[in-house]
Amino acid sequence: DAKTTQPPSMDCAEGRAANLPCNHSTISGNEYVYWYRQIHSQGPQYIIHGLKNNETNEMASLIITEDRKSSTLILPHATLRDTAVYYCIVRVNTGNQFYFGTGTSLTVIP
Amino acid sequence: NAGVTQTPKFQVLKTGQSMTLQCAQDMNHNSMYWYRQDPGMGLRLIYYSASEGTTDKGEVPNGYNVSRLNKREFSLRLESAAPSQTSVYFCASIKERDTEAFFGQGTRLTVV
Repeated sequence: DAKTTQPPSMDCAEGRAANLPCNHSTISGNEYVYWYRQIHSQGPQYIIHGLKNNETNEMASLIITEDRKSSTLILPHATLRDTAVYYCIVRVNTGNQFYFGTGTSLTVIP
Repeated sequence: NAGVTQTPKFQVLKTGQSMTLQCAQDMNHNSMYWYRQDPGMGLRLIYYSASEGTTDKGEVPNGYNVSRLNKREFSLRLESAAPSQTSVYFCASIKERDTEAFFGQGTRLTVV
C-alpha cells in the first residue's frame, strides 16, 4: 500500500486559502487519493477524493499533479471551524483496507 | 438514518477483563473497519471486514478478535484487556472501494 507524507502542522489566517500538501510517490495507477479531517476527537469526516483529475466540491478542491506523486487539498476560505487534523490517504488496490498516516494539524488563526 | 453507531461511548476496564465493542451501520454498506487512535496519533487499522462473513487483519490486530455478525454489525472483542489497549476506538463502514467511509463517534476505553 502506498504511503503518504504530510507536514505535521500548518497555520492559516481566517478567510485565506489553506493549502495542505501530501506526497504519495509510490501510488499505483488505480489508487485513489482521499482526504479526511478530524475535529477534536470526533470520528473522521470525508472531504474529497480523486484519481487523476482535479476535483472540487462544496468543501474543498483537490489538485493532483500529473505524475500523481503528490496532491494538495485547498480550503478556499478557511474559517475557525476548519481547525482540525487533515489526513491524506491512498486507497490500496487489493482488498478494502485504507490506512491513515499522522496527518497535518491545521490551525486557523483569527 | 443513524449512520454508524458505536456502543458504549465510554468504558473503564481492569487489566485482564474482557469486553466487546459494538458497531452497527444502517447504510447497507459492505465493508466495515475497526481503528484505534492513541493520544496525539493517527488512526491505526485493527481489523476489517470486506463483506459479511469475512474478516482480515490490519496493522495492529494483536490482542483483538472481531466478528462480522451480519451485514449491519461488526464487533471488536478484547479477551484480556491490557493498559496498552487504552485508546479511542473508531468503527467505520464503506459501501464500495472508491466511495467515502463513514465513521462512528468513537468508544473511549481506559484499561487500568
